[in-house]
Amino acid sequence: NAGVTQTPKFRILKIGQSMTLQCTQDMNHNYMYWYRQDPGMGLKLIYYSVGAGITDKGEVPNGYNVSRSTTEDFPLRLELAAPSQTSVYFCASSNRDPDTEAFFGQGTRLTVV
Amino acid sequence: KQEVTQIPAALSVPEGENLVLNCSFTDSAIYNLQWFRQDPGKGLTSLLLIQSSQREQTSGRLNASLDKSSGRSTLYIAASQPGDSATYLCAVSSGDKLTFGTGTRLAVRP
Repeated sequence: NAGVTQTPKFRILKIGQSMTLQCTQDMNHNYMYWYRQDPGMGLKLIYYSVGAGITDKGEVPNGYNVSRSTTEDFPLRLELAAPSQTSVYFCASSNRDPDTEAFFGQGTRLTVV
Repeated sequence: KQEVTQIPAALSVPEGENLVLNCSFTDSAIYNLQWFRQDPGKGLTSLLLIQSSQREQTSGRLNASLDKSSGRSTLYIAASQPGDSATYLCAVSSGDKLTFGTGTRLAVRP
């Protein structure tokens, strides 16, 4: 099935631990995004990428890092997890064509304790 | 910087009513606008995509319109049902980013 795949679906981290959220898409989209959604809030952009080897910061990049070595993969790295990073994380992909939808992964629910 | 606003933040209506959700954006240089639905604790389901050159799109009981020059989109839901209860999000594609509004939380009462 074509789409965006995120892993894991759920994770509990202790303060100070690190982890990588995986995101893979098989639609050959150039653009990929990472968002976080806090309870009752909208989606805030963490990082985005316009193609392999190119990444840029969004609204809330502090505490996160990304890489884009291939078109398909866009992992999000959390270093030194903090309780403020407890959130639901969504990965998305698209192209810069007016007729191309943005596709989203199922989300990763992360709790930092 | 693109800013997207959705009004109202919450809406409660009796079953069967027609309703309109609003989305406004500050930069009219957009590629497209997409409406999503999100159920509690779930991911995003795409409802409609309107390209920048289009004025409206329809899918079943849903109709979305776009007025790019005034920076507005509306999502019209006809004959609302309890199953329509969810949060509705609009997202604007412009520049290199996809920017979301904060959503409208809809409750349809039986």
